[in-house]
Amino acid sequence: GAGVSQSPSNKVTEKGKDVELRCDPISGHTALYWYRQSLGQGLEFLIYFQGNSAPDKSGLPSDRFSAERTGGSVSTLTIQRTQQEDSAVYLCASSLTSGRAGELFFGEGSRLTVL
Amino acid sequence: GESVGLHLPTLSVQEGDNSIINCAYSNSASDYFIWYKQESGKGPQFIIDIRSNMDKRQGQRVTVLLNKTVKHLSLQIAATQPGDSAVYFCAEKGSDYKLSFGAGTTVTVRA
Repeated sequence: GAGVSQSPSNKVTEKGKDVELRCDPISGHTALYWYRQSLGQGLEFLIYFQGNSAPDKSGLPSDRFSAERTGGSVSTLTIQRTQQEDSAVYLCASSLTSGRAGELFFGEGSRLTVL
Repeated sequence: GESVGLHLPTLSVQEGDNSIINCAYSNSASDYFIWYKQESGKGPQFIIDIRSNMDKRQGQRVTVLLNKTVKHLSLQIAATQPGDSAVYFCAEKGSDYKLSFGAGTTVTVRA
């Protein structure tokens, strides 16, 4: 597609369950980011992928969170044993470059609600 | 803590007036700044960017001003329209590749 695609757009799950969120970046974009946005808040950096380099996982809030990017394209963010505080919108973004100047294109986000 | 923040969480503007949204940043090493607009239920959309070697950049109805001396960034929207109602975020990139965001300013346009 023309833009960053995320799925599911909405996910309601029970506390303790695992969830997977998917991101399809813009074709040709080498950089991929995951951010989390809690209600009424700004964007919190989670993880960054650049090409074949090791990802920067410094923003992941706990070891229940993990992400992978297969073939330098699609990325999956996995949250294990979900907690209510994990409820948020998870935004994926891609960029043509990881350099200093490089616009990030965002998807519409996946809204996660943990009951 | 956050390296980028906004002065005011909300801004109410009369339709047709100009809007000014302010942002203060604390990381003097940041050299690339972006303004994003986020409408309800959508992801952030790029508005305009500016590099640290510039102090002003203009787009269509928008102008970004950068004052590195006081680490201040602003977004000016000319002739504000109802479609400009949204949350506006400033963001910065520094020596790493991460884009750091502030909490955002919610702009409401009054008819």
